[in-house]
Amino acid sequence: EIVLTQSPATLSVSPGERAILSCRASQNTGNNLAWYQQKPGQAPRLLIYFGSTRATGTPARFSGSGSGTEFTLTISSLQSEDCALYYCQQYHNWPPQFTFGPGTKVDIK
Amino acid sequence: QVQLVESGGGVVQPGGSLRLSCVATGISFSTSAMHWVRQAPGKGLEWVAYIRPDESDKFYADSVRGRFTISRDNSQNTLFLQMNSLRTEDAAVYYCARDFWGFFFDYWGQGTLVTVSS
Repeated sequence: EIVLTQSPATLSVSPGERAILSCRASQNTGNNLAWYQQKPGQAPRLLIYFGSTRATGTPARFSGSGSGTEFTLTISSLQSEDCALYYCQQYHNWPPQFTFGPGTKVDIK
Repeated sequence: QVQLVESGGGVVQPGGSLRLSCVATGISFSTSAMHWVRQAPGKGLEWVAYIRPDESDKFYADSVRGRFTISRDNSQNTLFLQMNSLRTEDAAVYYCARDFWGFFFDYWGQGTLVTVSS
């Protein structure tokens, strides 16, 4: 079973500053990793898939990088509407399992 | 416009059963693999189950295998989750989500809350 670890648990960033979120996998997951944003009371929203591809509607200030076991989500210039929980997620093909990380909470400093 | 609308949540006693539904509009449901994902109150996301468009494959998380059954009715654009032998730890908001590339989830419903309590 692949375990995802996210750090930090909470990230406080000033408006306009850069936010860097980390996701580490316990085994090589190739680039089969996605990032989701979840705001209070809402369903998660797909932001990034295959490690670095922005989903439809994802603002350009969000970028993903990494492969293997180390992944990063970067918000280049934090906006107030970016305050949310961010989850990474990977797929393991046998046995078929979809795993989420514990999440990083991003808020405004 | 894509909409996934879950229903069927509610309060059930431990050991009880519940059947969730998810009606899809705005997508080609009959060609879409689908998932159920849950989130316990104040906790993170947990994948629950997956079903192929033709029901040829169904996969489950270890925590629900043998108790939950995923199914679908393509003629009604509806996804189901039959939950039996419910435990307190099954209490959560249950989301249906469309499979994306076989690896991810691109569209999500708003969720339906399941409470397991005596």
